[in-house]
Amino acid sequence: GDSVIQMQGQVTLSENDFLFINCTYSTTGYPTLFWYVQYSGEGPQLLLQVTTANNKGSSRGFEATYDKGTTSFHLQKTSVQEIDSAVYYCAMREGSGTYQRFGTGTKLQVVP
Amino acid sequence: EAAVTQSPRNKVAVTGGKVTLSCNQTNNHNNMYWYRQDTGHGLRLIHYSYGAGSTEKGDIPDGYKASRPSQENFSLILELATPSQTSVYFCASGEGGALDTQYFGPGTRLLVL
Repeated sequence: GDSVIQMQGQVTLSENDFLFINCTYSTTGYPTLFWYVQYSGEGPQLLLQVTTANNKGSSRGFEATYDKGTTSFHLQKTSVQEIDSAVYYCAMREGSGTYQRFGTGTKLQVVP
Repeated sequence: EAAVTQSPRNKVAVTGGKVTLSCNQTNNHNNMYWYRQDTGHGLRLIHYSYGAGSTEKGDIPDGYKASRPSQENFSLILELATPSQTSVYFCASGEGGALDTQYFGPGTRLLVL
């Protein structure tokens, strides 16, 4: 069945460091890939989505790319700030699928 | 104005008791979802709905029921709560389709003693 694997459970960076979070997915169809961000005490909210048509998305300084060859998708940001500290979830919806599947989340802590 | 609201925000229940978690959305979305969030497991789908009167099982439905009496409301019911159901529960709504962005509520923290 469809699955999403997010290996990095926790990442600690200093301000202005480069962020890179990776997810891998498995599906037989054509997926749409999502990144959600969850700030402390809140529900997750959409950060980015990427389709197989465009391969890339960007928002709020974050960029998401998708690699069909390795069935992986990445979230990156050139220079993180303390306000970026949050939990980041990748998610996938197969084209004809009924719902999204989420990874296990990456907790990002940015220290000043 | 929050488009997805949940009540209660915090709940303490006893083992064997009945718990009902409520969700309301003003997005006029057809689809609604219930997830639980646990460290090491991320967000796992319990039940979802395509519209009023419809409920479907997600990945971990055992021990939970759901009810969708209207477009706006979606409830999660624990008939016989157990300590293993201690978690944070999130409700979400979405339009459906391949580009389905989900809009989450603020969550309900449930402790089953």
